[in-house]
Formats: sequence, structure tokens, C-alpha cells
Amino acid sequence: DQQVKQNSPSLSVQEGRISILNCDYTNSMFDYFLWYKKYPAEGPTFLISISSIKDKNEDGRFTVFLNKSAKHLSLHIVPSQPGDSAVYFCAALRKKTSYDKVIFGPGTSLSVIP
Amino acid sequence: DAMVIQNPRYQVTQFGKPVTLSCSQTLNHNVMYWYQQKSSQAPKLLFHYYDKDFNNEADTPDNFQSRRPNTSFCFLDIRSPGLGDAAMYLCATSRVPAWGPRVNEQYFGPGTRLTVT
Repeated sequence: DQQVKQNSPSLSVQEGRISILNCDYTNSMFDYFLWYKKYPAEGPTFLISISSIKDKNEDGRFTVFLNKSAKHLSLHIVPSQPGDSAVYFCAALRKKTSYDKVIFGPGTSLSVIP
Repeated sequence: DAMVIQNPRYQVTQFGKPVTLSCSQTLNHNVMYWYQQKSSQAPKLLFHYYDKDFNNEADTPDNFQSRRPNTSFCFLDIRSPGLGDAAMYLCATSRVPAWGPRVNEQYFGPGTRLTVT
């Protein structure tokens, strides 16, 4: 049962334009939602998160929007740069006593075309 | 730089032949995780260590075991690899306090790609 879904395996955007990556989830009990970015031959790196009690979090060019009623979140990158080309994983987190259980989506490969 | 290191980066093993993947960290984090990622799929948590306490995910096959001899090192042992175990194996670490609402960022290694022949 896939609790975190990213329905677009890939996305191409022109440099300078907005990139919008979408994510849907099924479990309303998640505490946080996160985005990780992965370059080839490297491990995923944390990008930005949002608490389940918020609807927006912004960090520089990256903004995450959360729509709890729709169980949907999105990552906006403005303006997109060629260095943003990577696989982006949406993830949902439940805080446990001794660890954070993170459930990842399958990823969306973003290509930013110069 | 503080980091998470995984060795080897590529590992080929034969069907049924035990294999060990290793992970080390210089971050001094108390939690270490092992994830399995098959092609074009989401990374899936296999188990984690909170300090010395081992915690298995309910759906992790018995074929997968782990050891954490000290804070810095963690090993993934696959006792009898099958063709279905071919995947990328990711190690991650985080510092989890006993309290606090903030997200505890997980730091990932580059992964070990396992091939089973």
C-alpha cells in the first residue's frame, strides 16, 4: 500500500521558470512532510519540511504548500536553475519515541533546461 | 566534513551467498537506518538502531540482519541473497532527542548497489 505517491515520474522545465512537483498521501496521521533531493551517485539530501499544522513553508527559492483536506502537497522552485536538476522525493514522517519513521514516495526526476 | 560513508559502492554477490554491506558515520548521531530502494521505487525502511537498540520493521524479511558494534559503524547482513534482493541499499543517520517537536533531519550515504547473480 503506497502511502506517499508522486504520480509524475519526470518533469522538464525551462531555466528561470517555476517548477512544481506534486505529492499525494493517504494517511492523515503524519506529523511532517519533507522533500529530499538526490543527485546521481549521491544519497538523498534534505531540502525542506512542513509541519502538518502549517499550510506553507518557504526557504529561499523553495516553497512547500500543504493542503490537508486534499491530502496533497507541492514543492515550488522559483526560479528554476540547471543545478536543480535531480530526483526529488516527497516523504511523510511520523514521530516515534526513538526515531522518525519516514515514508518516501517514488520520486520525480526534474530536468531544468538551460 | 562530517559524513555518512558506505562501502563498497557496488557489490556483486551470488545467489545464496551471504553478503555484508557497511556504513560508517562521523556525525556522532544516535540513530542509524537502513533503507532498500529498488529501481524507480521509493526507499523503504528495513530497520534502525537507536543507540544499541535494534528495531525491525514488521515487513522486513528475516533474511536481513544488522549489527551496530559502536556508534560509528552499522552493518547490513543478507544471509541468503535472492534475485529479488538486488537493489540500492541506503544508510542514513539522525540525531533524535528524547523530546521536541522538530524534524530530525536524516543524513544519507551514497548507497551500495547490490547485484545478485
